[in-house]
Amino acid sequence: SAVISQKPSRDICQRGTSLTIQCQVDSQVTMMFWYRQQPGQSLTLIATANQGSEATYESGFVIDKFPISRPNLTFSTLTVSNMSPEDSSIYLCSVANSRDYGYTFGSGTRLTVV
Amino acid sequence: AQSVTQPDIHITVSEGASLELRCNYSYGATPYLFWYVQSPGQGLQLLLKYFSGDTLVQGIKGFEAEFKRSQSSFNLRKPSVHWSDAAEYFCAVGNAGNMLTFGGGTRLMVKP
Repeated sequence: SAVISQKPSRDICQRGTSLTIQCQVDSQVTMMFWYRQQPGQSLTLIATANQGSEATYESGFVIDKFPISRPNLTFSTLTVSNMSPEDSSIYLCSVANSRDYGYTFGSGTRLTVV
Repeated sequence: AQSVTQPDIHITVSEGASLELRCNYSYGATPYLFWYVQSPGQGLQLLLKYFSGDTLVQGIKGFEAEFKRSQSSFNLRKPSVHWSDAAEYFCAVGNAGNMLTFGGGTRLMVKP
């Protein structure tokens, strides 16, 4: 299975600022997924990032708020823009493992907006 | 659209008792089904997955799950719960590299 390095692991940010989260995968993958886990909640898909094309966003998530970059097949970033306390969540990236049909998740970024 | 329902938000069992966590899914194609566990402040750990073959799947930590197509269910079981099993459990459905859809989660508490 792929191994994902996700950074930062946690951050405390001021409202109105932006934070960029990075995920580096140790192998080439076609699709990367970004999820949000609000406090005490389940995981919700934000968007699917394909290399060479714009990310596909789920209902309720927009590119201006959560811009995503996917410059190559091993790397992606998610930016949380113009943050408010409601953005305080854990953000996770994930990839599908083609060999075993499983999924690997990054360790998550715990974001607190004050 | 795919969806996953975990009917039980909280479950409390005594240590040593058996456990069953329910999961029902809606999916238009052949589902790939997963159970993950998340301990407080920790990341997601895969317990087991199913995508074909034997409908009774064995996972880590003594967990198993049974896929029942007729009931659209994939319930997680453990014959004897340990205090260290207290955590949040998530059922998820996907297919061959596409996005995973997660259920709302079940929080398991274990009484001594």
